[in-house]
Amino acid sequence: QKEVEQNSGPLSVPEGAIASLNCTYSDRGSQSFFWYRQYSGKSPELIMFIYSNGDKEDGRFTAQLNKASQYVSLLIRDSQPSDSATYLCAGRLTGGGNKLTFGTGTQLKVEL
Amino acid sequence: DADVTQTPRNRITKTGKRIMLECSQTKGHDRMYWYRQDPGLGLRLIYYSFDVKDINKGEISDGYSVSRQAQAKFSLSLESAIPNQTALYFCATSGQSTDTQYFGPGTRLTVL
Repeated sequence: QKEVEQNSGPLSVPEGAIASLNCTYSDRGSQSFFWYRQYSGKSPELIMFIYSNGDKEDGRFTAQLNKASQYVSLLIRDSQPSDSATYLCAGRLTGGGNKLTFGTGTQLKVEL
Repeated sequence: DADVTQTPRNRITKTGKRIMLECSQTKGHDRMYWYRQDPGLGLRLIYYSFDVKDINKGEISDGYSVSRQAQAKFSLSLESAIPNQTALYFCATSGQSTDTQYFGPGTRLTVL
């Protein structure tokens, strides 16, 4: 089992809809989680991070963390074609030292 | 703006050649990382350094070496390049008190 898992997609949503991206992790003691957006051929850019159980909102983005169920999700409201990208989930795992473990990413396509 | 830069941005080389990829940052961060990205495999950590005197292997260090010349500079070398080292390489940095990593623009390396 991979330490951080994501469905590779593609996930297709219509413009204006809510996109829901999910990530699960194997290490129950994991501390912090990050969502990065990556356009094709470009570098990952941070969208948001979450450390505590519950929801964290930033504009159209909401990150959700459920440590009991070991999943973290990213909701994108009012999805736009410019949101079409690959979304990488990363976690600082208990046994991983002070470094991040990345999932393989979920490709999101927002269709007109 | 404080930034992370990588040189070269693109490189084509031949099997057996020695290649150096360079990373510089003006963020004042102590921690620097080298990743490679392959389709379907996500970001994989090659080496990381938490300060000038600290170098650590990541999950895929075989065939690579690094040098931390200064707080702001971290170089990745391929001593004898082989075709399966063809990939997109990213440098990243983070501060001491945060897990958030910031990525450079990437180097696309092709080994023929």
